[in-house]
Formats: sequence, structure tokens, C-alpha cells
Amino acid sequence: QKEVEQDPGPLSVPEGAIVSLNCTYSNSAFQYFMWYRQYSRKGPELLMYTYSSGNKEDGRFTAQVDKSSKYISLFIRDSQPSDSATYLCASRETSGSRLTFGEGTQLTVNP
Amino acid sequence: DGGITQSPKYLFRKEGQNVTLSCEQNLNHDAMYWYRQDPGQGLRLIYYSQIVNDFQKGDIAEGYSVSREKKESFPLTVTSAQKNPTAFYLCASSIRPGLAGGNNEQFFGPGTRLTVL
Repeated sequence: QKEVEQDPGPLSVPEGAIVSLNCTYSNSAFQYFMWYRQYSRKGPELLMYTYSSGNKEDGRFTAQVDKSSKYISLFIRDSQPSDSATYLCASRETSGSRLTFGEGTQLTVNP
Repeated sequence: DGGITQSPKYLFRKEGQNVTLSCEQNLNHDAMYWYRQDPGQGLRLIYYSQIVNDFQKGDIAEGYSVSREKKESFPLTVTSAQKNPTAFYLCASSIRPGLAGGNNEQFFGPGTRLTVL
């Protein structure tokens, strides 16, 4: 079993829709949870991170972690065509430097 | 301009050849990483280095080698022993874990796409 699992999609939504992206993880030692955005043929860039359980909001983006169910979510409100990209969730332990990535979900927002 | 550079952007290799991918950073980061990305498999860690002259194997190190002689540079050699080397290779760097007091974000380079002919 992979330590971080993510539905690869693809996911296609109309402009303005609310997008929900999700991951599950199995390692109870994971404390940091990240979402990276990767445009086609580019390197990933960090979008948001959260520590332990809870919500974090940044503009149209909300990251949510539920440690009791080992569930990680990213919500995008008022989605735009420029949000079209692959979204990767990642997790790591408190003391470690290694990130464990999900497979990535390919999102297309149609104008 | 601070950041991570990878070269070349595209690389073609004949079977049986070794090739070296370059990764340079001017962020003064201690830690550097190499990942491989294949469709449907996310990013998989090949090697990482937390300090100069030291590195550790990741999850898929077989057929690869690295060196870390300078803080700024972490080249990856794809050897002929790597049976399926065609992939997108990503280099990343971060501050040393434990120094941040929080998240040690990994910054990624633009990637090198390697194709075996």
C-alpha cells in the first residue's frame, strides 16, 4: 500500500465551480501536509501547507487535514482556467526531510 | 535571481550510455533532492543530500549515482544499469530540516526530460 494515495483523475470542471481534491495517507507519523501545483512541463510549486489537523485558507484556496481519518483535502473556490494544472499532495514526518507524494490529480477548468 | 536551475531541458540517450543531469541552486540551501516523475506515479525520491559530501538513497536509487562536492551543486548520473530511464527528472532544495522551526519547503527546478532512444 502506498503511504499517500491520490485519485489521478483527470478532473474537468466549468469555470467558477468549486473543486475538491483529496488524498488519504497511512503513516500516523506524518505531521506536515502540503499541496503542490504543477503546470505542464514545469517543476511543482508549493501552494499551501498545514501542520497537524485543521484548516488553512489563502484566497480562493483552502487546505484541510483530518488526522483522525487520515484525509487531506484542497478546495478551490471560483475556479479559473489558470488553475488548470496537476495538483500533488505530499506529507512528511516532523523530524524528517523526505516528502512522500501522491500520484497527482490533473485538473482542467473549462472557460 | 535566486532559484534552482536544471540542464539540459531535454536529453536523449542511447541505450548503454551514462548521462549526467545538472542541478544548481543559489538559495544557500543545505539539502538537495532528486525525484523521478512518471505518468500516474507522482514523484519518487531517487537520492537526497542534507549536507555537502553526504547523501542517502531514496526509494528508487538503483541505476543512479550522485555526488555532492559543493553546496550549490547536486548532479545525477543515470547509468546504463537503469533499465527504464525515460522519465521527467526533478531536482529540489530546502533548508536543513530542524532549522526552520516549521515547514522546510522544497523548491523545485524546471526539470529535465530524459528519453532513451
